[in-house]
Amino acid sequence: DGGITQSPKYLFRKEGQNVTLSCEQNLNHDAMYWYRQDPGQGLRLIYYSQIVNDFQKGDIAEGYSVSREKKESFPLTVTSAQKNPTAFYLCASSTGTGVPGAEQFFGPGTRLTVL
Amino acid sequence: GDSVTQMEGPVTLSEEAFLTINCTYTATGYPSLFWYVQYPGEGLQLLLKATKADDKGSNKGFEATYRKETTSFHLEKGSVQVSDSAVYFCGLANAGGTSYGKLTFGQGTILTVHP
Repeated sequence: DGGITQSPKYLFRKEGQNVTLSCEQNLNHDAMYWYRQDPGQGLRLIYYSQIVNDFQKGDIAEGYSVSREKKESFPLTVTSAQKNPTAFYLCASSTGTGVPGAEQFFGPGTRLTVL
Repeated sequence: GDSVTQMEGPVTLSEEAFLTINCTYTATGYPSLFWYVQYPGEGLQLLLKATKADDKGSNKGFEATYRKETTSFHLEKGSVQVSDSAVYFCGLANAGGTSYGKLTFGQGTILTVHP
């Protein structure tokens, strides 16, 4: 079955450590996205990528980094510079940017807790 | 920039009651509009969408009509079930310009349906 997988489902990190969240898709989608979800604030875009080896900052990119070396993979690193990293992180993909009505498909999410 | 405003929640209803969740938006051009649903501990799933003015999206008994004159995309269901309990997100995507298909979400509305 096609879809998006995120791992791990739960992640605990000590303050000052970097941590990488995995996102893989087998939908053959060009575009991929990372969102952060906090209670009562909806989803906010961290980074997005339209194509391999290219990515752009979203609304809250500070303290995060990404790479897009393969079409199917878009890992997110939460660095020690992120002031308040505890949140639920969602990865998504779509057939492409610039396509009216293009649906974004979401993974199951990773809940990151900083101890 | 683009923005989406949803009615504040949480919303609590009895089974078989009528549901309305209001959503209004601000955007340039001709955005596509979406409703996503999130069940506890999961990612988002597309519920319905509309890509142009006066389009009606529908799925699983839910409906929403793209009203350009009032910049609204209210979600309705005639008779809710306990299984509809979830968080509902209204979203907007602009295909053109520099938005690159980025989804802008409202803050989400928590719906709880009691038997």
